Amino acid sequence: LAKTTQPISMDSYEGQEVNITCSHNNIATNDYITWYQQFPSQGPRFIIQGYKTKVTNEVASLFIPADRKSSTLSLPRVSLSDTAVYYCLVGGGNTDKLIFGTGTRLQVFP
Amino acid sequence: GAVVSQHPSWVICKSGTSVKIECRSLDFQATTMFWYRQFPKQSLMLMATSNEGSKATYEQGVEKDKFLINHASLTLSTLTVTSAHPEDSSFYICSASSGEVGNEQFFGPGTRLTVL
Repeated sequence: LAKTTQPISMDSYEGQEVNITCSHNNIATNDYITWYQQFPSQGPRFIIQGYKTKVTNEVASLFIPADRKSSTLSLPRVSLSDTAVYYCLVGGGNTDKLIFGTGTRLQVFP
Repeated sequence: GAVVSQHPSWVICKSGTSVKIECRSLDFQATTMFWYRQFPKQSLMLMATSNEGSKATYEQGVEKDKFLINHASLTLSTLTVTSAHPEDSSFYICSASSGEVGNEQFFGPGTRLTVL
């Protein structure tokens, strides 16, 4: 299983764009890259998933370079409610177990 | 979107008793379910993977006789913490997948277990 590395914490202000980068140097050919958000005492919530290039949905964008050894989650115009822990995971489809890393604790200030 | 529920959302029990936690996929059939444990301020730790109709696969260091997992149907998996002790107090989270490649795992809301 590919190990992921991401910053332990990040600070931002409301209205700013936040980019969280994750390194996964040992990603396998059939691995997908998935990002989850977790609030205290809640289960993780799916944000976005991609395999290569760029993926965008209503809440975020995911940028994946050609070598797929890293990925960047982009949150446009964050608000206070985006304060949470964000996890980057890689795995070969959803039947493959997910190993959570430390995650990135994002703190958004007013 | 797919919904996964857990019951109970929190439980307090005495040391030495057993506690059962249910994980249900409400609107899809889950071929695989996963159980995680999370201590305060820490990341999720995978405990085991269960496939419907077969024995669960436990991660290294997780006692299978203490954490009994049953996945009897495509919509229900249970985790039983047997002879619970205070060190078993934690936040237990399940996730479910439908088996479609590339689809995300859907997580339950978690169960807070406190052992007195």
